[in-house]
Amino acid sequence: ILNVEQSPQSLHVQEGDSTNFTCSFPSSNFYALHWYRWETAKSPEALFVMTLNGDEKKKGRISATLNTKEGYSYLYIKGSQPEDSATYLCASKEGAGSYQLTFGKGTKLSVIP
Amino acid sequence: EAGVAQSPRYKIIEKRQSVAFWCNPISGHATLYWYQQILGQGPKLLIQFQNNGVVDDSQLPKDRFSAERLKGVDSTLKIQPAKLEDSAVYLCASSLAPFNEQFFGPGTRLTVL
Repeated sequence: ILNVEQSPQSLHVQEGDSTNFTCSFPSSNFYALHWYRWETAKSPEALFVMTLNGDEKKKGRISATLNTKEGYSYLYIKGSQPEDSATYLCASKEGAGSYQLTFGKGTKLSVIP
Repeated sequence: EAGVAQSPRYKIIEKRQSVAFWCNPISGHATLYWYQQILGQGPKLLIQFQNNGVVDDSQLPKDRFSAERLKGVDSTLKIQPAKLEDSAVYLCASSLAPFNEQFFGPGTRLTVL
Protein backbone atom coordinates (compact mmCIF):
# COMPACT_ATOMS: atom_id res chain seq x y z
CA ILE A 1 0.00 0.00 0.00
CA LEU A 2 1.41 3.39 -1.03
CA ASN A 3 2.00 6.31 1.29
CA VAL A 4 0.51 9.46 -0.21
CA GLU A 5 1.01 12.66 1.75
CA GLN A 6 -0.72 16.00 1.31
CA SER A 7 0.13 19.37 2.81
CA PRO A 8 -1.05 21.52 4.30
CA GLN A 9 -3.87 19.69 6.06
CA SER A 10 -6.01 22.83 5.92
CA LEU A 11 -5.70 26.48 5.06
CA HIS A 12 -7.74 29.64 5.02
CA VAL A 13 -7.19 32.25 2.32
CA GLN A 14 -8.83 35.54 1.49
CA GLU A 15 -10.93 35.85 -1.65
CA GLY A 16 -8.68 36.84 -4.52
CA ASP A 17 -5.52 35.29 -3.09
CA SER A 18 -3.69 32.59 -5.00
CA THR A 19 -2.72 29.39 -3.22
CA ASN A 20 -1.12 26.02 -3.77
CA PHE A 21 -0.99 22.61 -2.14
CA THR A 22 1.40 19.69 -2.35
CA CYS A 23 0.92 15.98 -2.90
CA SER A 24 3.88 13.61 -2.47
CA PHE A 25 3.86 9.97 -3.49
CA PRO A 26 6.34 7.13 -4.01
CA SER A 27 8.10 7.69 -7.33
CA SER A 28 8.97 4.05 -7.92
CA ASN A 29 6.50 2.12 -10.09
CA PHE A 30 4.41 5.28 -10.65
CA TYR A 31 1.46 5.00 -13.05
CA ALA A 32 -0.89 7.98 -12.59
CA LEU A 33 -1.75 10.83 -10.24
CA HIS A 34 -5.33 12.02 -9.77
CA TRP A 35 -6.64 15.25 -8.23
CA TYR A 36 -10.21 15.48 -6.94
CA ARG A 37 -12.25 18.31 -5.45
CA TRP A 38 -14.75 17.29 -2.76
CA GLU A 39 -17.31 19.81 -1.63
CA THR A 40 -19.32 19.07 1.48
CA ALA A 41 -22.40 16.89 0.82
CA LYS A 42 -21.45 16.46 -2.84
CA SER A 43 -19.63 13.82 -4.89
CA PRO A 44 -15.86 14.06 -5.27
CA GLU A 45 -15.23 15.63 -8.66
CA ALA A 46 -12.25 14.68 -10.81
CA LEU A 47 -10.02 17.63 -11.66
CA PHE A 48 -6.98 16.13 -13.37
CA VAL A 49 -5.35 12.82 -14.25
CA MET A 50 -1.63 13.12 -14.85
CA THR A 51 0.77 10.46 -16.01
CA LEU A 52 3.90 11.98 -17.57
CA ASN A 53 6.80 13.65 -15.80
CA GLY A 54 6.57 17.38 -16.39
CA ASP A 55 2.82 17.25 -17.13
CA GLU A 56 1.00 20.50 -16.57
CA LYS A 57 -2.78 20.65 -16.72
CA LYS A 58 -5.15 23.59 -16.41
CA LYS A 59 -8.88 23.97 -15.83
CA GLY A 60 -9.98 27.57 -15.51
CA ARG A 61 -8.19 29.07 -12.51
CA ILE A 62 -6.89 25.71 -11.32
CA SER A 63 -3.71 24.10 -12.60
CA ALA A 64 -1.49 21.21 -11.60
CA THR A 65 2.06 20.06 -12.23
CA LEU A 66 3.66 16.65 -11.89
CA ASN A 67 7.19 15.52 -11.07
CA THR A 68 7.34 11.74 -11.19
CA LYS A 69 11.11 11.53 -10.61
CA GLU A 70 10.94 13.18 -7.21
CA GLY A 71 7.37 12.09 -6.46
CA TYR A 72 5.34 15.26 -6.05
CA SER A 73 2.52 17.22 -7.60
CA TYR A 74 1.39 20.78 -6.99
CA LEU A 75 -2.14 22.11 -7.34
CA TYR A 76 -2.48 25.86 -7.86
CA ILE A 77 -5.57 28.01 -7.55
CA LYS A 78 -5.31 31.52 -8.94
CA GLY A 79 -7.54 34.22 -7.50
CA SER A 80 -9.41 32.01 -5.03
CA GLN A 81 -13.18 32.38 -4.85
CA PRO A 82 -15.57 31.25 -2.08
CA GLU A 83 -16.86 28.50 -4.37
CA ASP A 84 -13.35 27.00 -4.38
CA SER A 85 -13.86 26.06 -0.73
CA ALA A 86 -13.60 22.27 -0.63
CA THR A 87 -11.30 19.42 0.27
CA TYR A 88 -8.74 18.69 -2.44
CA LEU A 89 -7.68 15.06 -2.62
CA CYS A 90 -4.82 13.55 -4.54
CA ALA A 91 -4.56 9.85 -5.28
CA SER A 92 -1.73 7.83 -6.75
CA LYS A 93 -1.96 4.68 -8.80
CA GLU A 94 1.12 2.50 -9.07
CA GLY A 95 2.26 0.13 -11.77
CA ALA A 96 0.28 -1.23 -14.63
CA GLY A 97 -0.75 -4.29 -12.65
CA SER A 98 -2.42 -2.59 -9.71
CA TYR A 99 -6.02 -1.47 -9.73
CA GLN A 100 -5.89 0.51 -6.53
CA LEU A 101 -6.02 4.29 -6.07
CA THR A 102 -4.31 5.33 -2.83
CA PHE A 103 -5.60 8.65 -1.52
CA GLY A 104 -3.92 11.26 0.61
CA LYS A 105 -5.77 12.78 3.56
CA GLY A 106 -6.66 15.86 1.59
CA THR A 107 -6.18 19.61 1.95
CA LYS A 108 -9.22 21.47 3.23
CA LEU A 109 -9.39 24.93 1.67
CA SER A 110 -11.60 27.67 3.07
CA VAL A 111 -11.86 30.88 1.04
CA ILE A 112 -12.99 33.83 3.14
CA PRO A 113 -15.13 36.41 1.28
CA GLU B 1 -25.59 11.29 -18.24
CA ALA B 2 -26.76 10.31 -14.75
CA GLY B 3 -24.05 10.04 -12.14
CA VAL B 4 -23.40 7.41 -9.52
CA ALA B 5 -26.37 7.13 -7.16
CA GLN B 6 -26.12 6.11 -3.52
CA SER B 7 -28.65 5.65 -0.76
CA PRO B 8 -29.27 6.40 1.95
CA ARG B 9 -27.35 9.66 2.22
CA TYR B 10 -27.24 9.53 6.02
CA LYS B 11 -27.68 6.72 8.52
CA ILE B 12 -27.48 6.65 12.30
CA ILE B 13 -27.43 3.30 14.08
CA GLU B 14 -26.38 1.88 17.39
CA LYS B 15 -23.39 -0.41 17.74
CA ARG B 16 -24.06 -4.06 17.06
CA GLN B 17 -26.88 -3.18 14.65
CA SER B 18 -26.74 -4.02 10.95
CA VAL B 19 -26.78 -1.57 8.06
CA ALA B 20 -26.77 -1.77 4.28
CA PHE B 21 -25.83 0.76 1.63
CA TRP B 22 -26.87 0.73 -2.02
CA CYS B 23 -25.04 1.96 -5.09
CA ASN B 24 -26.16 2.33 -8.70
CA PRO B 25 -23.17 3.02 -10.97
CA ILE B 26 -23.11 4.93 -14.24
CA SER B 27 -24.74 2.89 -16.98
CA GLY B 28 -22.21 0.75 -18.84
CA HIS B 29 -19.49 1.01 -16.20
CA ALA B 30 -18.09 -2.44 -15.59
CA THR B 31 -15.92 -1.57 -12.60
CA LEU B 32 -17.40 -0.60 -9.25
CA TYR B 33 -15.58 0.43 -6.07
CA TRP B 34 -16.55 0.92 -2.43
CA TYR B 35 -14.40 3.25 -0.34
CA GLN B 36 -14.47 4.08 3.36
CA GLN B 37 -13.48 7.60 4.38
CA ILE B 38 -12.98 8.07 8.12
CA LEU B 39 -12.89 11.67 9.34
CA GLY B 40 -9.42 13.13 8.92
CA GLN B 41 -8.24 10.38 6.58
CA GLY B 42 -8.30 9.78 2.85
CA PRO B 43 -10.75 7.38 1.22
CA LYS B 44 -9.62 3.76 1.55
CA LEU B 45 -10.63 1.12 -0.97
CA LEU B 46 -12.71 -1.63 0.61
CA ILE B 47 -13.66 -3.69 -2.42
CA GLN B 48 -13.52 -3.54 -6.21
CA PHE B 49 -15.81 -5.40 -8.60
CA GLN B 50 -15.31 -6.11 -12.27
CA ASN B 51 -18.82 -6.84 -13.54
CA ASN B 52 -20.12 -9.20 -10.82
CA GLY B 53 -16.75 -10.60 -9.78
CA VAL B 54 -14.54 -9.40 -6.93
CA VAL B 55 -11.15 -8.09 -8.10
CA ASP B 56 -9.73 -6.79 -4.82
CA ASP B 57 -11.16 -7.08 -1.32
CA SER B 58 -7.87 -7.15 0.55
CA GLN B 59 -8.84 -4.26 2.83
CA LEU B 60 -12.41 -5.36 3.53
CA PRO B 61 -12.92 -6.48 7.18
CA LYS B 62 -14.60 -9.69 6.17
CA ASP B 63 -15.68 -10.65 9.66
CA ARG B 64 -18.31 -7.89 9.58
CA PHE B 65 -18.39 -6.36 6.09
CA SER B 66 -19.82 -7.96 2.98
CA ALA B 67 -20.58 -6.68 -0.49
CA GLU B 68 -22.22 -8.04 -3.58
CA ARG B 69 -22.93 -7.05 -7.14
CA LEU B 70 -25.13 -9.89 -8.24
CA LYS B 71 -26.11 -8.80 -11.76
CA GLY B 72 -23.04 -6.73 -12.46
CA VAL B 73 -24.90 -3.45 -12.08
CA ASP B 74 -26.13 -2.32 -8.62
CA SER B 75 -24.17 -3.14 -5.52
CA THR B 76 -24.86 -3.35 -1.81
CA LEU B 77 -22.39 -3.05 1.05
CA LYS B 78 -23.42 -4.46 4.42
CA ILE B 79 -22.00 -4.13 7.91
CA GLN B 80 -23.10 -6.68 10.48
CA PRO B 81 -22.62 -5.97 13.37
CA ALA B 82 -21.50 -2.35 13.30
CA LYS B 83 -18.81 -0.98 15.61
CA LEU B 84 -18.16 2.58 16.71
CA GLU B 85 -15.07 2.74 14.48
CA ASP B 86 -17.23 2.08 11.40
CA SER B 87 -18.49 5.67 11.56
CA ALA B 88 -17.39 7.09 8.22
CA VAL B 89 -18.51 8.20 4.78
CA TYR B 90 -18.94 5.25 2.43
CA LEU B 91 -18.27 6.24 -1.16
CA CYS B 92 -19.19 4.26 -4.23
CA ALA B 93 -17.40 4.89 -7.53
CA SER B 94 -17.55 3.39 -10.99
CA SER B 95 -15.43 3.38 -14.13
CA LEU B 96 -15.67 1.97 -17.63
CA ALA B 97 -12.69 -0.26 -16.94
CA PRO B 98 -10.15 -0.62 -14.10
CA PHE B 99 -7.70 1.96 -15.42
CA ASN B 100 -10.25 4.53 -16.51
CA GLU B 101 -11.31 7.62 -14.56
CA GLN B 102 -13.42 6.86 -11.51
CA PHE B 103 -16.69 8.73 -10.98
CA PHE B 104 -17.93 9.03 -7.41
CA GLY B 105 -21.34 9.09 -5.82
CA PRO B 106 -22.20 11.54 -3.02
CA GLY B 107 -21.55 8.96 -0.31
CA THR B 108 -23.44 7.65 2.69
CA ARG B 109 -22.50 9.18 6.03
CA LEU B 110 -22.78 6.51 8.72
CA THR B 111 -22.78 7.36 12.41
CA VAL B 112 -22.54 4.47 14.87
CA LEU B 113 -23.54 5.39 18.43
